[in-house]
Amino acid sequence: DAGVIQSPRHEVTEMGQEVTLRCKPISGHDYLFWYRQTMMRGLELLIYFNNNVPIDDSGMPEDRFSAKMPNASFSTLKIQPSEPRDSAVYFCASSSTGNYGYTFGSGTRLTVV
Amino acid sequence: GIQVEQSPPDLILQEGANSTLRCNFSDSVNNLQWFHQNPWGQLINLFYIPSGTKQNGRLSATTVATERYSLLYISSSQTTDSGVYFCAVAYNNDMRFGAGTRLTVKP
Repeated sequence: DAGVIQSPRHEVTEMGQEVTLRCKPISGHDYLFWYRQTMMRGLELLIYFNNNVPIDDSGMPEDRFSAKMPNASFSTLKIQPSEPRDSAVYFCASSSTGNYGYTFGSGTRLTVV
Repeated sequence: GIQVEQSPPDLILQEGANSTLRCNFSDSVNNLQWFHQNPWGQLINLFYIPSGTKQNGRLSATTVATERYSLLYISSSQTTDSGVYFCAVAYNNDMRFGAGTRLTVKP
């Protein structure tokens, strides 16, 4: 398996633009997580899905953030409109029932200017 | 929510030395994992260890759930062990990460 695949690896965008981050979990994993990492706040859980259904989105910072998982092999995290304070590394991770060790993707480094 | 404290925040070792990293958590958990973030930013799962002891090569981990702490042991450290070590805990699936221990191994 190629692991958890995230795209793009780097994204630079202007304030006010829409940003879409993508994630392909490991085949067979039924949990998918989105995290954000910043120097100030460390690693924060934004939202997680089980069997494509959002279970807990209490970590989503505000309404500008949305996440979807239309099928078992794809998820998106969208920021609209983006702001400079959204600059961070966004990680996607997946795991499976019965084997709860997380596998992280390589992350997307987002810079909003 | 569950609070996670890691110590020490920073650790500098000479190659070949041993070390112990600690993770304290504030509430009962059924999921505890240790991760290594390498200098390139990649997060690697080291152990899934809600209780008991596990070993993988030079690394081992012990979790005493009743006393709410976990320890990560690194023996015969190598320069490639440098990076940040995170402990993450959850009751159910909302994993919360500690602030990490930054380890620097000098040749």
